[in-house]
Amino acid sequence: DAGVIQSPRHEVTEMGQEVTLRCKPISGHDYLFWYRQTMMRGLELLIYFNNNVPIDDSGMPEDRFSAKMPNASFSTLKIQPSEPRDSAVYFCASSLRRYEQYFGPGTRLTVT
Amino acid sequence: EDQVTQSPEALRLQEGESSSLNCSYTVSGLRGLFWYRQDPGKGPEFLFTLYSAGEEKEKERLKATLTKKESFLHITAPKPEDSATYLCAVLITDSWGKLQFGAGTQVVVTP
Repeated sequence: DAGVIQSPRHEVTEMGQEVTLRCKPISGHDYLFWYRQTMMRGLELLIYFNNNVPIDDSGMPEDRFSAKMPNASFSTLKIQPSEPRDSAVYFCASSLRRYEQYFGPGTRLTVT
Repeated sequence: EDQVTQSPEALRLQEGESSSLNCSYTVSGLRGLFWYRQDPGKGPEFLFTLYSAGEEKEKERLKATLTKKESFLHITAPKPEDSATYLCAVLITDSWGKLQFGAGTQVVVTP
């Protein structure tokens, strides 16, 4: 299996622009998670899905962030408009039932 | 409030010098405790899951143990390739699969 796939790996954008991060989970996994990692706050859960349905989005910072999972093999995390404080590494992870989560390589986002 | 605390924040070891990392937790109900390894520029890599006090898991030079209030990750005779940040995370009873991560311990093993 290829593992969790994320794209792009790096994204540099200007403040105010829309950013879309993409994730392909491991085939057969029914949970998908979006995390953000910074030096100051560590690894934070933003939102997670079970069978393509959002279960808990309490970690989403504000309305500028949105996530979708249109099918079992694809999810997006969108930031509109982006701000410099959104700069971080964003990880996608997937799991089978509620067991161990497998992480993707991450997307390093820089907002100038 | 549920909390996960890892210590020390950083650890520098000589090759072959065994040591232990600590993960203490105060949660309402533990369903599982997970250990991950993270290399610079990469996503966390799953190592172990522990479900009940007294349980132990081993993988090469790593051994994880669990009590009712904390978990230890023992590194026996480490090698430079064991250098990484080690993260622990807890899955609590009512969390529906939501992991709460500690801040991690950065381990550096020198030859």
